[in-house]
Amino acid sequence: SQTIHQWPATLVQPVGSPLSLECTVEGTSNPNLYWYRQAAGRGLQLLFYSVGIGQISSEVPQNLSASRPQDRQFILSSKKLLLSDSGFYLCAWSSGTDTQYFGPGTRLTVL
Amino acid sequence: AQSVTQPDIHITVSEGASLELRCNYSYGATPYLFWYVQSPGQGLQLLLKYFSGDTLVQGIKGFEAEFKRSQSSFNLRKPSVHWSDAAEYFCAVGGEDTGRRALTFGSGTRLQVQP
Repeated sequence: SQTIHQWPATLVQPVGSPLSLECTVEGTSNPNLYWYRQAAGRGLQLLFYSVGIGQISSEVPQNLSASRPQDRQFILSSKKLLLSDSGFYLCAWSSGTDTQYFGPGTRLTVL
Repeated sequence: AQSVTQPDIHITVSEGASLELRCNYSYGATPYLFWYVQSPGQGLQLLLKYFSGDTLVQGIKGFEAEFKRSQSSFNLRKPSVHWSDAAEYFCAVGGEDTGRRALTFGSGTRLQVQP
């Protein structure tokens, strides 16, 4: 069966520091991968999606970037964090249909 | 552009009472519709989905939803709510013409269950 992992689970970082969040999927090949951000009390905002290695599409201009160095690995990064980057970051995958399956999320607090 | 509206931000029901969460969507073609549930600090879990066929779909945890094309709605229902159903519920829409793009989510409905 397929599983999706995210780490770290929680992260507290100072403003201006770099960021790297990792997402990996097991049990499937060539998945579509997605990064969402969920601000407190808000819905989900799509940040990036990827249909293959090295193929990244950005949905909104922002301080973040994404990379897909391997088929089942998706990384969210920033060179310098802003206060507004705080939130709950969710990775998701899909394969063949539009059904998306979500990871457990990473809670990021920027101080 | 596709959109999803969940008009109820917060709903409180008594344990054992019935539940209906509303979802209205805007989509130019045949939609794929989803309901997800999120417990505090957790990821989203798929409750049910509609692609085609029978407009009444059954999901996990005793939930069901009915697709009504004429009303552009996909409301979630449960006949008897349990305290463990307290969570946030998200409706989402996608479709054949979205390619590989992601779903569009509503802003969510937070469900509180009173004993």
